[in-house]
Amino acid sequence: QSALTQVASVSGSPGQSITISCIGTSSDVGRYNSVSWYQHHPGKAPKVLIHDVTKRPSDISDRFSGSKSGNTASLTISGLQAEDEADYYCGSSTDSNTWVFGGGTKVTVL
Amino acid sequence: QVLLQGSGPGLVKPSQTLSLTCTVSDNSILSGDYYWHWIRQSAGKGLEWIGRISLSGNTKYNASLQSRATISLDWIKNQDHISLRLTSVTATDTATYYCAREAYYGGGLDPWGQGSLVTVSS
Repeated sequence: QSALTQVASVSGSPGQSITISCIGTSSDVGRYNSVSWYQHHPGKAPKVLIHDVTKRPSDISDRFSGSKSGNTASLTISGLQAEDEADYYCGSSTDSNTWVFGGGTKVTVL
Repeated sequence: QVLLQGSGPGLVKPSQTLSLTCTVSDNSILSGDYYWHWIRQSAGKGLEWIGRISLSGNTKYNASLQSRATISLDWIKNQDHISLRLTSVTATDTATYYCAREAYYGGGLDPWGQGSLVTVSS
C-alpha cells in the first residue's frame, strides 16, 4: 500500500487561506468516505481535525474544512493563524481493510 | 475524555523484540465499538501505519511490517492493554510509537496516545 501523496510544504500569511491536497487511488481515497486529517505539532500527539471527508469534531475551529473529489481529498485552512503552523497528515482506509497516511505537509505561517 | 497512554522500554538492542503497551482510561476496549491502532513516526519522516486490532482479535497489518509485527489485547494488572510486539528490530525501527482509537462508526483516529520514543541501538 503506497502512501497518499501530499505536497511537502505550504506557506501563507496570517489571515490567508491555504489548501492542502491528498492524492490517493480508487482503492483508498476514491473508494471510501473515511478520509481524515490530522494536525501534528512536534512533541505532541496528532489531533484529528476532519474525519469522514468533511466532518469536524466539536472542539475544532470552523476555519478547518475538508472536501473530496475523485481520488483527491483536500483540507482548507481559512484565516491562517500562527498557531496553525504544524505538520498536517491525511489518512484513509483502504480496500485491504488497512489504513494509509499521506507523507505530510508542513504548514508555515509567514 | 478518554486518554491513551503508551509505555515500554525506550532502548532496544538490534535483533531483539520491541514491546509496547497502550492503556485506555475508560472501558472502551471492552465495548467492542473500536479498532485500536499502532502508528509510528521516525525522525524527520511522516506517519507510518503499523496495524490495528478489534475486540474480537481480528488484526490487520501494514504489509511491510506484517512478518514482524503482532498486535494483541492483553489483560495486565487488572486492566486491558493494547500491545505491540515488533521482532528483529534494526536502527530503522527507531521511532516514536503512537496508539490510537478508531470508532467503527467513523470519526477517524481519535484520540492518540502521547507517543513512546523507542531507540534501537546496541
